[in-house]
Amino acid sequence: DAGVIQSPRHEVTEMGQEVTLRCKPISGHDYLFWYRQTMMRGLELLIYFNNNVPIDDSGMPEDRFSAKMPNASFSTLKIQPSEPRDSAVYFCASSQDSASGSRETQYFGPGTRLLVL
Amino acid sequence: KNQVEQSPQSLIILEGKNCTLQCNYTVSPFSNLRWYKQDTGRGPVSLTIMTFSENTKSNGRYTATLDADTKQSSLHITASQLSDSASYICVVSAKDTGFQKLVFGTGTRLLVSP
Repeated sequence: DAGVIQSPRHEVTEMGQEVTLRCKPISGHDYLFWYRQTMMRGLELLIYFNNNVPIDDSGMPEDRFSAKMPNASFSTLKIQPSEPRDSAVYFCASSQDSASGSRETQYFGPGTRLLVL
Repeated sequence: KNQVEQSPQSLIILEGKNCTLQCNYTVSPFSNLRWYKQDTGRGPVSLTIMTFSENTKSNGRYTATLDADTKQSSLHITASQLSDSASYICVVSAKDTGFQKLVFGTGTRLLVSP
């Protein structure tokens, strides 16, 4: 398997523009996660899906952020309008379901490095 | 408040030496603790996962320990190699309805010098 695939790897945009980040999870994984990583705050969980359904979006910073998962092999994270403080690395991760739900390993993609000018 | 604190913030060691990274947490109720390695420009990669009943877990030259009573964990790296240079992130899961709530440390940046 190619692992979690994210695109684009780098994105530079101007404040106010719409940004769409894309993720393809590992085939067969039931959970998909979106994270944001900054130097100041480290890794933060934004939202996660189980079987394409959003389960917890309490980490989404504000209404400018939205995420969708139209099918098991694709998810998007959209920022509209973007602001300079959104500059960060955005990671997508996926994991398999497990009976206990406590020992699954999350596999991270390479991340999208976003810079909003 | 659920928190994970890691120390030191950064560390430089000579190749071949051992080192120990620390993680203290106040997450409750505890479910499990993970250590991730993150190379520069890459996503985190899982090293170990430990539940309440496990107090040590090894993965090659990496050995993680867990003291659930004192809420402390450590990651020991033996005979360090240049490729160990990375950030090491401690992540603690809190039990919740549905999936685990993950609380992340800000990481320890390790540089292994030749």
